[in-house]
Amino acid sequence: DTGVSQNPRHKITKRGQNVTFRCDPISEHNRLYWYRQTLGQGPEFLTYFQNEAQLEKSRLLSDRFSAERPKGSFSTLEIQRTEQGDSAMYLCASSRGTSGYQETQYFGPGTRLLVL
Amino acid sequence: DQQVKQNSPSLSVQEGRISILNCDYTNSMFDYFLWYKKYPAEGPTFLISISSIKDKNEDGRFTVFLNKSAKHLSLHIVPSQPGDSAVYFCAASSNDYKLSFGAGTTVTVRA
Repeated sequence: DTGVSQNPRHKITKRGQNVTFRCDPISEHNRLYWYRQTLGQGPEFLTYFQNEAQLEKSRLLSDRFSAERPKGSFSTLEIQRTEQGDSAMYLCASSRGTSGYQETQYFGPGTRLLVL
Repeated sequence: DQQVKQNSPSLSVQEGRISILNCDYTNSMFDYFLWYKKYPAEGPTFLISISSIKDKNEDGRFTVFLNKSAKHLSLHIVPSQPGDSAVYFCAASSNDYKLSFGAGTTVTVRA
């Protein structure tokens, strides 16, 4: 296993710009999750995919956020018209997807977004 | 609403001694619990988990205890080592795949 990878690791953008992050899960992991972490808090769930199907979205995921996993492998998270409140660490995780919900989620290194 | 709470934001322990981290939860539907460790500028790393059908799970220096009636779990690290200095997150899930995390406890292991 090469682990979950995320790109870019850091992103600085101006308010109003669009940004896109990429996540490559562990090979053969069917489930992929996105979380957001702000300073002093634990990660908060945003959304998850079972293969290419997006099965749940948090109310934290406003209309400006969209996530895709077109071929059931890598995923992208896009934020349109960024706001300063979007500044956070965006974490991706994956799990096998063969053991029900009681299975370990493995996290990537995260993408740190700063909106100026 | 914070369904998983780690009420101690920090813990300092001497090398070689035991570290005890605590976690409380409010959602009685939670039945799977995990501990993650996080270094600065890295993602959380899985440490150990426990299902609600157990009250203890051990893996090397790490032991997790679950008290369902009190909705409380704890992580014991024995002996503590300098490399254990990190932020530790407690997480819980029910049957909906998403993890709910506490705010974390920063552990500092003193030489």
